Amino acid sequence: DVKVTQSSRYLVKRTGEKVFLECVQDMDHENMFWYRQDPGLGLRLIYFSYDVKMKEKGDIPEGYSVSREKKERFSLILESASTNQTSMYLCASSLPGVNIQYFGAGTRLSVL
Amino acid sequence: QQQVKQSPQSLIVQKGGISIINCAYENTAFDYFPWYQQFPGKGPALLIAIRPDVSEKKEGRFTISFNKSAKQFSLHIMDSQPGDSATYFCAASLSGNQFYFGTGTSLTVIP
Repeated sequence: DVKVTQSSRYLVKRTGEKVFLECVQDMDHENMFWYRQDPGLGLRLIYFSYDVKMKEKGDIPEGYSVSREKKERFSLILESASTNQTSMYLCASSLPGVNIQYFGAGTRLSVL
Repeated sequence: QQQVKQSPQSLIVQKGGISIINCAYENTAFDYFPWYQQFPGKGPALLIAIRPDVSEKKEGRFTISFNKSAKQFSLHIMDSQPGDSATYFCAASLSGNQFYFGTGTSLTVIP
């Protein structure tokens, strides 16, 4: 089974802190994605990556950055956390050209 | 702009009833239409999917109906069970590399 692991299930951070959300997949997938999930807004794409050291902005990249130094790991960085970044963050991976995304269990981030 | 529009936002159905969730899209280049199911505390997982050259796909109690001319597709859950209570997302894919999700439907099946 494909496994996408997000390092934290819950995080509480202070406004202005730098926050790292880590995601690791074990199926050698080239494609990796970061979404945030908010009630009534569904899943919104923050950043994605089709290969190591490659990244592309999604629909809502403002306030976020990403890092992909290894194929299996995709990190989401909140440079200076703000309260409006309180949300559920989901990581996903997929093979190129294959229409199935595999999701992690999510990280619920609260910024106080 | 929302690429995939989903309704209703929430749905309450009696056990044994039919749950229907609707989605609409604009981009005719989409070539794959999956539905994801998400239970509390879990990430979304693929439930069922359809390609635009097929009008219906059935897997057990779950059926996707696809209307290419209307650019609409829907999920039907027959004989709904309390265990089906979850959030459902429709989605559309472009060549398997770009994915667009609906806003989600919270389904509650009451015994």
